Amino acid sequence: DAGVIQSPRHEVTEMGQEVTLRCKPISGHNSLFWYRQTMMRGLELLIYFNNNVPIDDSGMPEDRFSAKMPNASFSTLKIQPSEPRDSAVYFCASSLWGTGNQPQHFGDGTRLSIL
Amino acid sequence: TQLLEQSPQFLSIQEGENLTVYCNSSSVFSSLQWYRQEPGEGPVLLVTVVTGGEVKKLKRLTFQFGDARKDSSLHITAAQPGDTGLYLCAGAPSRFGNEKLTFGTGTRLTIIP
Repeated sequence: DAGVIQSPRHEVTEMGQEVTLRCKPISGHNSLFWYRQTMMRGLELLIYFNNNVPIDDSGMPEDRFSAKMPNASFSTLKIQPSEPRDSAVYFCASSLWGTGNQPQHFGDGTRLSIL
Repeated sequence: TQLLEQSPQFLSIQEGENLTVYCNSSSVFSSLQWYRQEPGEGPVLLVTVVTGGEVKKLKRLTFQFGDARKDSSLHITAAQPGDTGLYLCAGAPSRFGNEKLTFGTGTRLTIIP
């Protein structure tokens, strides 16, 4: 079975450029999560969706970050304009429904470097 | 804000030794999950513990949930190089709700052959 698929795996771009990260959740999963991981701050939840609707976006750092889920099989996380402090590994995860006891299935991440 | 502190932050031991890592909080969780993350990959779920005092075993790994559901431990017997990775605990505030998981700070484990 296909797991969570993220693209690109690596992205290097200059400060000020727009960055778009993509995620395809596991088919049949109703919840999707975007995380950011750094050495300093660990794994932080940015936003999550249930049935394509954003439920909690309190982790989104600022207005430069936006996320969409136009359908059950696709989500994007956009940073515009990007800054060097946005450099991190960004993970997408999905679960059958919500949080609670549900296991989350993670993609392999996008390693983002902003120069 | 619920916080999960993991200790130790880093641990490097010889193959064949035993070890225990801890996940502690001042908050009560309805359940706690343990994940392992290898370099270049996302975290992978190892186990979920739900009941206070619960003990679950996964081959050489033993997971325990504290009686008060505020802490958990992971014990590895006869560690092997394949156990190397970042171990993350994650607490769920409620069993069926939409409140987000809180991830711990992580323990980076290295097993030396």
